[in-house]
Amino acid sequence: AQSVTQLDSQVPVFEEAPVELRCNYSSSVSVYLFWYVQYPNQGLQLLLKYLSGSTLVKGINGFEAEFNKSQTSFHLRKPSVHISDTAEYFCAVTRGGSASKIIFGSGTRLSIRP
Amino acid sequence: DSGVTQTPKHLITATGQRVTLRCSPRSGDLSVYWYQQSLDQGLQFLIQYYNGEERAKGNILERFSAQQFPDLHSELNLSSLELGDSALYFCASSPGGQTSGGYTFGSGTRLTVV
Repeated sequence: AQSVTQLDSQVPVFEEAPVELRCNYSSSVSVYLFWYVQYPNQGLQLLLKYLSGSTLVKGINGFEAEFNKSQTSFHLRKPSVHISDTAEYFCAVTRGGSASKIIFGSGTRLSIRP
Repeated sequence: DSGVTQTPKHLITATGQRVTLRCSPRSGDLSVYWYQQSLDQGLQFLIQYYNGEERAKGNILERFSAQQFPDLHSELNLSSLELGDSALYFCASSPGGQTSGGYTFGSGTRLTVV
């Protein structure tokens, strides 16, 4: 079975500073990996996904993530954050191929200080 | 607007009661997924339907049931409600039965059991 661990429940950063949200996964088979964002009182929105190919994945709103198979990680990064990036971020995993459900991590709350 | 519609947005009900949550998937999507989001459990996968048939089951209680109708909308029925059932319930949809594209989430139904 697949699982995903988000190492930080909260990450405070100053506006315009870089940020990294950490995610590690566990699986004995190939996986697809996702990052979702949830703004207050809204549903989840897909930021980016890794299926195969290039290990550096670019998403919306200037975010990117790097798939590292040897370290079973999929960390999310942004070089310069804005107040509008304040939200909860979820890392998620599913088995590659014909899997039918996505497993979500516990979430990381990103708070931006002016 | 993600294209996935959930109604109602908010629901307050008493313990022991029964409620029905409704979800209309994005146009053209055949799969519907239900998730429960609570503070202590995070995002938990409940159940998936694909083109009217149950495809996968997660941590769904026996008091809960779901179905997908011929027009592809889905309903989640929660009965004998307990205080611990208070949570955000999300519906998501995807074009097929696989997850490689990720899901599109609705904005959720907030259920409060008093």
